[in-house]
Amino acid sequence: SQTIHQWPATLVQPVGSPLSLECTVEGTSNPNLYWYRQAAGRGLQLLFYSIGIDQISSEVPQNLSASRPQDRQFILSSKKLLLSDSGFYLCAWSPGGEDNEQFFGPGTRLTVL
Amino acid sequence: EDQVTQSPEALRLQEGESSSLNCSYTVSGLRGLFWYRQDPGKGPEFLFTLYSAGEEKEKERLKATLTKKESFLHITAPKPEDSATYLCAVQALSSGTYKYIFGTGTRLKVLA
Repeated sequence: SQTIHQWPATLVQPVGSPLSLECTVEGTSNPNLYWYRQAAGRGLQLLFYSIGIDQISSEVPQNLSASRPQDRQFILSSKKLLLSDSGFYLCAWSPGGEDNEQFFGPGTRLTVL
Repeated sequence: EDQVTQSPEALRLQEGESSSLNCSYTVSGLRGLFWYRQDPGKGPEFLFTLYSAGEEKEKERLKATLTKKESFLHITAPKPEDSATYLCAVQALSSGTYKYIFGTGTRLKVLA
């Protein structure tokens, strides 16, 4: 069966510090991978999606970047965090090829102070 | 503009009191509609996928239905453990690619 991992689970960082959130998927090959941010009372905002290594699309111009160094690894980064980067970050995967339902990781709660 | 709207925002039910959650959508090129359950502080858990009007899916006390403009998540005789936020999402064609659009969810509280 497939599983998706995210870490860390929680993170408190000062403004201006760097960020690296990691996501890995097990039990599948060539998944489509996604990073979302969820703010309180708002829907999930798609940040990045990737259909393969070195194939990453950004949905919203922002202070963040994403990389996919391996087939089942997806990393969300920032060089300098802003207060507005606080939120709940979710990684998701869907079967490669035709997109269908997405399966989400446990999430990372990021607080920028 | 593609849009997904869920109602109500919050719902309180007594245990055993059946009800329905609504997800209305305005998108072009609908490929699929998805329902998720999300517990506080956790990632959404996939429940159902619906592809065409008239389709229905069931899982325990939950049944999802789809029309051309909306979907309903029916909860029959809910229990306190059904308390969660229920999210609806659509996969729609946008600028030549399929995108996912999520609603803001319905927070369900079932009282014992």
